[in-house]
Amino acid sequence: LAKTTQPISMDSYEGQEVNITCSHNNIATNDYITWYQQFPSQGPRFIIQGYKTKVTNEVASLFIPADRKSSTLSLPRVSLSDTAVYYCLVSSTSGTYKYIFGTGTRLKVLA
Amino acid sequence: NAGVTQTPKFRVLKTGQSMTLLCAQDMNHEYMYWYRQDPGMGLRLIHYSVGEGTTAKGEVPDGYNVSRLKKQNFLLGLESAAPSQTSVYFCASSEPRYRSGTSYEQYFGPGTRLTVT
Repeated sequence: LAKTTQPISMDSYEGQEVNITCSHNNIATNDYITWYQQFPSQGPRFIIQGYKTKVTNEVASLFIPADRKSSTLSLPRVSLSDTAVYYCLVSSTSGTYKYIFGTGTRLKVLA
Repeated sequence: NAGVTQTPKFRVLKTGQSMTLLCAQDMNHEYMYWYRQDPGMGLRLIHYSVGEGTTAKGEVPDGYNVSRLKKQNFLLGLESAAPSQTSVYFCASSEPRYRSGTSYEQYFGPGTRLTVT
């Protein structure tokens, strides 16, 4: 079964770019990579999803190398309100359904 | 749109008691999921459903049962609660990828905090 590994915590300062990497060595061909943000006492909220190379939306970028064994969530110019826990998810809905969340990275943004 | 709602928000059970957690979504999503979240372990999938009347086991299904009698509702049952089931339970819903396009996201409810003593 695929496992996803993330750093437990990170600190950053306001205005900096933050990169959070997730390792998923056993990723399968049909698996997608998704990142979620979670604030205390709330459910996770979708940030971005990708399969390979680079994906960008209005809040983040997702970098996936050719071997897809890792992925990096990039948050440009973080603010205090970005303090949260960030989870990567490896999932597949082809054949055997699979939803494997990482253990989460607690990001603290400092003023 | 309320999105995904969960009932109740909090519950305390004694070992051996039973209860049902209710999840409702108003987005007409095909897929629904139940996760549990424990400190340091992220979210783990308990059961999921890919359509009304269908359910399937996830990563940690033991001790739980589910039903999806209506498309908008997904029920999680604990027949005989154990202290190991103390956790925060999240329900989510989504469209299948073939219907949602290039990306699909899960919409999560606010969670139910369950304590079993």
